[in-house]
Amino acid sequence: AQSVTQLGSHVSVSEGALVLLRCNYSSSVPPYLFWYVQYPNQGLQLLLKYTSAATLVKGINGFEAEFKKSETSFHLTKPSAHMSDAAEYFCAVSVSGGYNKLIFGAGTRLAVHP
Amino acid sequence: KAGVTQTPRYLIKTRGQQVTLSCSPISGHRSVSWYQQTPGQGLQFLFEYFSETQRNKGNFPGRFSGRQFSNSRSEMNVSTLELGDSALYLCASSQTSGSSYEQYFGPGTRLTVT
Repeated sequence: AQSVTQLGSHVSVSEGALVLLRCNYSSSVPPYLFWYVQYPNQGLQLLLKYTSAATLVKGINGFEAEFKKSETSFHLTKPSAHMSDAAEYFCAVSVSGGYNKLIFGAGTRLAVHP
Repeated sequence: KAGVTQTPRYLIKTRGQQVTLSCSPISGHRSVSWYQQTPGQGLQFLFEYFSETQRNKGNFPGRFSGRQFSNSRSEMNVSTLELGDSALYLCASSQTSGSSYEQYFGPGTRLTVT
């Protein structure tokens, strides 16, 4: 069975600092992995996805993620945090079998301090 | 293109009642998936519809049902509401059904059961 673990339910950084949000996956087949962001009282917005074309994936708003098979990780990074990045971030794996079913991690709430 | 729309945005219902939520996918998208988001259980997959057929169903009781119309719009229904059904219900649309395709989420319907 596929699963996702996000390490750290809360992460706090200063404005301008590096953002690192951790995600580890479990999958017996090559996974499709996604990062989503959720702002208060809103739905989920897709940041980026990994589909095996390249291990370093660039997304919107300056975010990127690196797929590391040996570590079963797909950590999300941004070189310089902005106040507007404060939100909840979800890592997800798409269930194999040709379905549109995502399994989400528990989420990481990012706080950005001035 | 217009995004995924969900109506209504907020609902308050009483235990034992039933409720119907609506989702209009992005134009041209044929797959619609539904998710439940609660503080305790996080984001959980409910079901996916593609070409008016349910392709996959999550681990929810039969009180949760859905359907999809020929124009790809989807509805989900919850009968005999329980307090634990209070949640944010998110709909996501995708071009087609498949593990590698991005899912685009609507703003959600916030259901409160009293």
